[in-house]
Parts: sequence; structure tokens; C-alpha cells
Amino acid sequence: GAGVSQSPRYKVAKRGQDVALRCDPISGHVSLFWYQQALGQGPEFLTYFQNEAQLDKSGLPSDRFFAERPEGSVSTLKIQRTQQEDSAVYLCASSLASGGEGEKLFFGSGTQLSVL
Amino acid sequence: AQSVTQLDSQVPVFEEAPVELRCNYSSSVSVYLFWYVQYPNQGLQLLLKYLSGSTLVKGINGFEAEFNKSQTSFHLRKPSVHISDTAEYFCAVSPPAAGSYQLTFGKGTKLSVIP
Repeated sequence: GAGVSQSPRYKVAKRGQDVALRCDPISGHVSLFWYQQALGQGPEFLTYFQNEAQLDKSGLPSDRFFAERPEGSVSTLKIQRTQQEDSAVYLCASSLASGGEGEKLFFGSGTQLSVL
Repeated sequence: AQSVTQLDSQVPVFEEAPVELRCNYSSSVSVYLFWYVQYPNQGLQLLLKYLSGSTLVKGINGFEAEFNKSQTSFHLRKPSVHISDTAEYFCAVSPPAAGSYQLTFGKGTKLSVIP
């Protein structure tokens, strides 16, 4: 596709529900990133994939958060037993190579998650 | 660990006036520096970046930023803004070498250009 696509654009969940957020990176991009952006804050790093390998998950806030990229393309961020503090915009980004050394990241428009 | 402080949460400016958006960072090691822009309902886009070399960096849409190591700053400037520059601007840093894929962002500055 032309850019990074995220779905759904908006998600409302009741506290305790599980949610799955999808990211379609730019075709051929090796690296994929998830960031969490709370209201009034900057994005915060969650996790990083190179192809299907999850190389860094140090930013995941709890074991309720799980991300996968099984075929090295589409990625899903899953949040189990959602809590109100999980309400945020979840951003996905991809890059052509490793994403390091100042390489440009391409961001999607995000999924806005509201937990009631 | 690194941190980024964007001193102004909102900056209103008249069309065709100059603007400076301030960014300071804290790090125990040298860093790479970035400015990203987020237009309404769009994803973050890279405006410019500093990795090494000349401290004055030029980016897209007429923006530039200057790296000042002694003041640990990377302020963004534009000599004459347009209505279309209305957006939220994020300063970010990453460590060089290992871990350089991980960006640490500031809280953002909302630039409002007034006609």
C-alpha cells in the first residue's frame, strides 16, 4: 500500500475485554514498531520487530500486552483484560531496513482505544 | 536513558511571521535528534534529523533546526509560516548505535497559525 495502515481507527472497549489492533506496514519494510500515545503526551515505545522476530519488547507496560508479526508483514497488538489506563492512541510505524541509525520511520494514523 | 522537554505546549503565531519551537534533551551519551510533524488525522512525518556533522539541519517545508551541544537543545525554526503549518510538532531523540531504533519523544507543541 501507499502508507502504513492501521485498523480499526477507533475502538471502544469495556473494561476487562480483550482487543486486537492491526497494522499493515508499507510493503517490503523490514522493521515494524508499536508506540503508545496517551492524551497530551508524546508517543512512547512499546515494541520492535525485524521481519517476524520481536527483537525488543521492553516498552510493553504489562504482560497483558502482546504483539506478533508471524509472517513478517502484518502485525497485531493484543491487549488482554483492558483497563482504563490502556486508553490511548496506538501508533504503528515501519521502516525499510533496521530502523536504526536515524532511518526514517513511516507512521500510521493510529488506533484510538477508549476503555470504559 | 534519554528525555526530551518541549517547553511550549501551544504556540500561536500569525501567518508569515517567524516561529521557533523549543526542544531540550537530556542524555548521558550522544544522541541522534529528530523533529516529526503530525497534521490532523494523519500519521507522524519526519521533518528533519541530526545525526552528525553540520549543526544546522534543513528539512522539508522550509523548516530548519540547529543542534547546540552545550545547551543540549535542538530548536526548530521557520522564517515565515503558512496556514498549512498548523499541526503538532514532536521533538525526539535516540541513542546512537545499539538501540538507535528506539525514539524518545517530547510531549509535543501545537502550532496554530492565525490568518
